[in-house]
Order: sequence, then structure tokens, then C-alpha cells
Amino acid sequence: DGGITQSPKYLFRKEGQNVTLSCEQNLNHDAMYWYRQDPGQGLRLIYYSQIVNDFQKGDIAEGYSVSREKKESFPLTVTSAQKNPTAFYLCASSMSLRADGYTFGSGTRLTVV
Amino acid sequence: DAKTTQPPSMDCAEGRAANLPCNHSTISGNEYVYWYRQIHSQGPQYIIHGLKNNETNEMASLIITEDRKSSTLILPHATLRDTAVYYCIVRVASNAGNMLTFGGGTRLMVKP
Repeated sequence: DGGITQSPKYLFRKEGQNVTLSCEQNLNHDAMYWYRQDPGQGLRLIYYSQIVNDFQKGDIAEGYSVSREKKESFPLTVTSAQKNPTAFYLCASSMSLRADGYTFGSGTRLTVV
Repeated sequence: DAKTTQPPSMDCAEGRAANLPCNHSTISGNEYVYWYRQIHSQGPQYIIHGLKNNETNEMASLIITEDRKSSTLILPHATLRDTAVYYCIVRVASNAGNMLTFGGGTRLMVKP
């Protein structure tokens, strides 16, 4: 079945370490997105990519970095510059820019210890 | 994108209809109303969308007022599995640089 896979589901990081969250899709979607969700809050856009080798900052890009070397993959690196990285991270993909076709992964819960 | 306003929480009895309101008084003529829902600790799931006509699919119905300033998502026979946060989003159908934004939504609790 086609879908979008995030790994790992839970991740623990020591302060000062960089960590990379994986996101892979086999839906042949052009666009991919990373969102952050804090407890009881909505989703905030970190980065998005509409095509391979191109990506744009979202509303809260500081302290994060991404790459889009393959259509299927859009990894997110949480750097030590992100002051409050503990959150639930969601990856999504969509065909072109259609708003009704967003498919989300099951998320990665990152905790800084 | 037009701003949306939703109640923060609602309760519904199992088996009854759940009616979730959304106000979007500044909606533009080319903007659609989209609904997504997020079950706890999962990613959001698309439910339905519409422009001005009422829409129905296997999950829900969407009623949009004639002036398009508000809408209601209807789950006709709510089950416990419908407990989730429901997001109402207004935006154009396809637009470069105009990503989906998810506000606080309405937390629906379906009770036995």
C-alpha cells in the first residue's frame, strides 16, 4: 500500500546534539512538508518542498534544516540551535499543491533529556 | 488565507449527529473550506471540502451558508472513534507558496 512513513516513532536527544527525523513516501507526491505540534496546539509549518532539490522555509524554520535529494525522501534535522525542540513532528506529502490531498505520517515524538 | 474561528471543544453522544461549526467571515470568492481531523497522536486526515454547494461523502457532510461566511461539518452518527480534533481551513484550491495551516481546531469528545 502507498503511504508515508516516519521514523522513529519516539526519539530522545541530549541537549546540544543534532538529530535527524526520517520521512519517506511512496505516493509519487511532488510536495512534502514538515510540521511541529506542541501539546494542545495546532500544527506549525517548519519547511516545505515542492520539487526535488528545492525547499522553502515555513513559519518556524529557525533551528531546523532539511534536504530533498530524492522525491521520496524529506529528512528533517533538528539542530542544537533549536532552543525548545521537544515536540511532536509530523511529515506530510501532497500531489502538487492541492489542499485536499495532504497525507500525513504517524509522527515522531522528540524529547530532549 | 481567510481566518477561521472554531469552538475549542464540543461533546456529542454516541450515535447522535455531531455538528461542528466554523466561522470564516472574511472568506474570498476563490477560497474553499476544508476539514481535516486529527486523532490523538496521529497525523491529520482529510475529511471533506467545498466551495459553496453542500457536499457529502462517506465520512461526513459539509453545509456552507449562502453567504459563505460560515459552515458546519456534520458527522451523522458519531462513534467513539470520531473523538478527535477537527480543523476547519480556508484557502484557495491550489496555490504556490500557500500551504495548509492548522489552527487550534475543535476537540470533539464522543461519549457513550
